[in-house]
Amino acid sequence: EVQLVQSGAEVRKPGETLKISCRGSGYSYSTYWIAWVRQMPGKGLEWMGIVYPRDSETRYSPSFKGQVTISVDNSVNTAYLQWSSLKASDTAIYYCARRRSGFLRGFFQYLDVWGKGTTVTVSS
Amino acid sequence: QSVLTQPPSVSAAPGQKVTISCSGSSSDIGNNYVSWYQQLPGTAPKLLIYDNNKRPSGISDRFSGSKSGASATLGITGLQTGDEADYYCGTWDSSLDAGVFGGGTKLTVL
Repeated sequence: EVQLVQSGAEVRKPGETLKISCRGSGYSYSTYWIAWVRQMPGKGLEWMGIVYPRDSETRYSPSFKGQVTISVDNSVNTAYLQWSSLKASDTAIYYCARRRSGFLRGFFQYLDVWGKGTTVTVSS
Repeated sequence: QSVLTQPPSVSAAPGQKVTISCSGSSSDIGNNYVSWYQQLPGTAPKLLIYDNNKRPSGISDRFSGSKSGASATLGITGLQTGDEADYYCGTWDSSLDAGVFGGGTKLTVL
């Protein structure tokens, strides 16, 4: 079974660091991009960025560049999302998802397998 | 403010049909493929439609997708109470060089 298993809920204080994880199984992990998506309380989905496990290439949405770091350890089929100094506004559910992409008569990309999400709460 | 525009809410009676629109521009929907996601309350999103109009294995044929120019539409027929959820469109934005989602549409089955 193809699945993405995310790390558990976290509670931190403003200014603290945090690294959450997303482990894939049931497929050739290194050959699919992994995407991170944020959902703030009561709000919609926001595309944060992607990482390609085979060569660790990363791309960020302009809104998130410099705010978070996306990385991957191909040896343990795990992608990471980390913060160096959390803010209260980082409180959200963070989803990882497997990304399918390519070019037909236009560029296609979609997220076909999702993790259950990691709830991050930042509060003093 | 989302790059893609969806109506905040739609509603219809059980058994009826509903459509959800997703409007973008030439840098996103106009030149790239669209996907749709269903998010049931308290759960992770699930892929419903990809490549504008294809359904993953296991998705009911009550769900359909279409695209025309810089707009896309999700259709749901034979509405059931279990279809009550938030629905999101998504695509690639070539100018941002990033993925984008619509703001989401809450479906209520009356």
